[in-house]
Amino acid sequence: DAGVIQSPRHEVTEMGQEVTLRCKPISGHDYLFWYRQTMMRGLELLIYFNNNVPIDDSGMPEDRFSAKMPNASFSTLKIQPSEPRDSAVYFCASSLGYRSDTQYFGPGTRLTVL
Amino acid sequence: AQKVTQAQTEISVVEKEDVTLDCVYETRDTTYYLFWYKQPPSGELVFLIRRNSFDEQNEISGRYSWNFQKSTSSFNFTITASQVVDSAVYFCALRAQGAQKLVFGQGTRLTINP
Repeated sequence: DAGVIQSPRHEVTEMGQEVTLRCKPISGHDYLFWYRQTMMRGLELLIYFNNNVPIDDSGMPEDRFSAKMPNASFSTLKIQPSEPRDSAVYFCASSLGYRSDTQYFGPGTRLTVL
Repeated sequence: AQKVTQAQTEISVVEKEDVTLDCVYETRDTTYYLFWYKQPPSGELVFLIRRNSFDEQNEISGRYSWNFQKSTSSFNFTITASQVVDSAVYFCALRAQGAQKLVFGQGTRLTINP
């Protein structure tokens, strides 16, 4: 079975540009998570969805960040406008449900904002 | 509040040595779940194990073993007869029942030298 798929794997952009990260969760999983990994803050949860509905976005750093999940097989994380401090690895993860809560992570997107 | 501490920032050993990675957690919840993930140099996060707070049995999987002790709030990970392929950053994580957020430790970078 395919794992969590993320694209692109690497993104280099200039400050002020819009960035869109994409994620396809494991088929049948009804929870989807977006995490960010930086040297300073480690791994931190940004937002998660249950059945395509955003449940907790308290980790989203600023209004420049937004996330959507239009259907069960696709989610986006958008940064507009991007800033150099947004440079990080962004992970998407999914899990089967409340009682089977192991989160499986995608390969991550390494974002560099110049 | 929940917290996970991995006091060992970096560990370096010679191949075939045994090595233990420490994980200490804090939580007020009586039911919770503990996890270990591996992040190899390629960058993805690989799930290793999930443990429920009500199950204190130690677990062994090949060269990997985990020692869960509620009395000391620790969930340590031992690699026996380490191999170069074990070189990675290892993360311990905690999730409370009723919550979806994974709280990660800062990770331990393990280097196995040939």
